[in-house]
Amino acid sequence: DIQMTQSPSSLSASVGDRITITCRASQGISNYLAWYQHKPGKVPNLLIYAASTLHSGVPSRFSGSGSGTDFTLTISSLQPEDVATYYCQNYDSAPRTFGQGTKVEIK
Amino acid sequence: EVQLVASGGSLVQPGGSLRLSCAASGFTFRSYAMAWVRQAPGKGLEWVSEISSSSGYTYYADSVKGRFTISRDNSKNTLYLEMNSLRAEDTAVYYCSKGGVYYDTRGYMSGFFDFWGQGTLVTVSS
Repeated sequence: DIQMTQSPSSLSASVGDRITITCRASQGISNYLAWYQHKPGKVPNLLIYAASTLHSGVPSRFSGSGSGTDFTLTISSLQPEDVATYYCQNYDSAPRTFGQGTKVEIK
Repeated sequence: EVQLVASGGSLVQPGGSLRLSCAASGFTFRSYAMAWVRQAPGKGLEWVSEISSSSGYTYYADSVKGRFTISRDNSKNTLYLEMNSLRAEDTAVYYCSKGGVYYDTRGYMSGFFDFWGQGTLVTVSS
């Protein structure tokens, strides 16, 4: 099975900051990588698929990049409503595996 | 508007069984793969199982293989998860989710999830 490792596990940043979350796959997965945002008490929301394609309705401050084993999710200007846990997910093959999550807080 | 309404979660004893349902509306259910993803208390998301649009393929996490069975009824726009031999570690909120799709050089791609239901809580405890 492909293991997905995210870093950091948590971060605290100020409103307006640029933040980056990293996701590493244990083997190459081309660009078959999705990112989700999960706010407390809410359902997860798809942000990005195919490593860099923004899902409909997602603000343009979110972006994704990478291919193979190394991927990043960037929020260009952190907003209070971005407080959430972010997960990457491999869909190159089954089982579909999620990273352990990165909790983002406002400083 | 896509809606996924999960139900069937409850308190069950270890070794017991439960059947979850997910009623779908707002999209052509028979055209999309569907999946169950769970989140145990204080833990992250865990993919549980997935079924293709026509039920031609099913996939399971190693942690549930042989105990859980995913199925769908395209005439009723409903997804199911039959859970047997339940363990304490199966305690979680179970989300049903709709497979997203796009086309690339490999052809039809799915396996990520563009809409999620509100979740149903399964508690396995004596």
